[in-house]
Amino acid sequence: DGGITQSPKYLFRKEGQNVTLSCEQNLNHDAMYWYRQDPGQGLRLIYYSQIVNDFQKGDIAEGYSVSREKKESFPLTVTSAQKNPTAFYLCASSIGGWGNQPQHFGDGTRLSIL
Amino acid sequence: ELKVEQNPLFLSMQEGKNYTIYCNYSTTSDRLYWYRQDPGKSLESLFVLLSNGAVKQEGRLMASLDTKARLSTLHITAAVHDLSATYFCAVVLRGTSYGKLTFGQGTILTVHP
Repeated sequence: DGGITQSPKYLFRKEGQNVTLSCEQNLNHDAMYWYRQDPGQGLRLIYYSQIVNDFQKGDIAEGYSVSREKKESFPLTVTSAQKNPTAFYLCASSIGGWGNQPQHFGDGTRLSIL
Repeated sequence: ELKVEQNPLFLSMQEGKNYTIYCNYSTTSDRLYWYRQDPGKSLESLFVLLSNGAVKQEGRLMASLDTKARLSTLHITAAVHDLSATYFCAVVLRGTSYGKLTFGQGTILTVHP
C-alpha cells in the first residue's frame, strides 16, 4: 500500500545534539512538507519542498534544516539552535498542482528533550 | 498574514444531536480543507472545498464553503461516539506557493451517550 512512513515514532534529544527525523513516501508525490504540532494547537509549517533539490522555509524554520535529494525522501534535522524542540512532528506529501489535492500525512514523530 | 480561527475549540455533544463547527479565515482563499485527528495519531483528510458554494457530505459530516464571507462550516448530524476526535480546517492563501496550508487551532469534539 502507498503511504508515508515516518521514523522513529519516539525520539529523545540531549542538549547540544542534532537529531534527524526520517520521512519517506511511495505515493510518487512531488511536494512534501514538515509540520510541528504543540499540545492543543494546530499545525505550523516548518519547511516544504515542491520538487527534488528545492525547498522553501515555512513559518517556523529557525533551528531546523531539510534536504530533498530524492523524490521519496524529505528528512528533517532539528538542530541544537532549536531551543524548544519538544513537539509532535508530522510529515506530509501531495500530488503536484496548486493545492487542489489534500495533503497526506504520516503517523508522526514525537520528540522530547532528555 | 493569513489567520484561521475555529470555534468552538471544545465541543461536548450528546449522541443523536446536531451541531456545527465554524472556520473563519482572514484573507482571500478559494481552497479549504477539513481534517480529522484522533488522539496521538496523524491527520486524515475529510473534505477538500475548492469553490464558493461548495458543499460536500460524507456520512454524518457535511462541509460547506462561503468564500465571500470567508467562512466554512462542518455540520455534524446525529452524532455518534465514533466521531469523537479533533477537527481542523486549513486554508491556502490565494496566490501563495503551492499547497502551503495555514491551520486553525482545532476543535476537540467529544460525543457522549
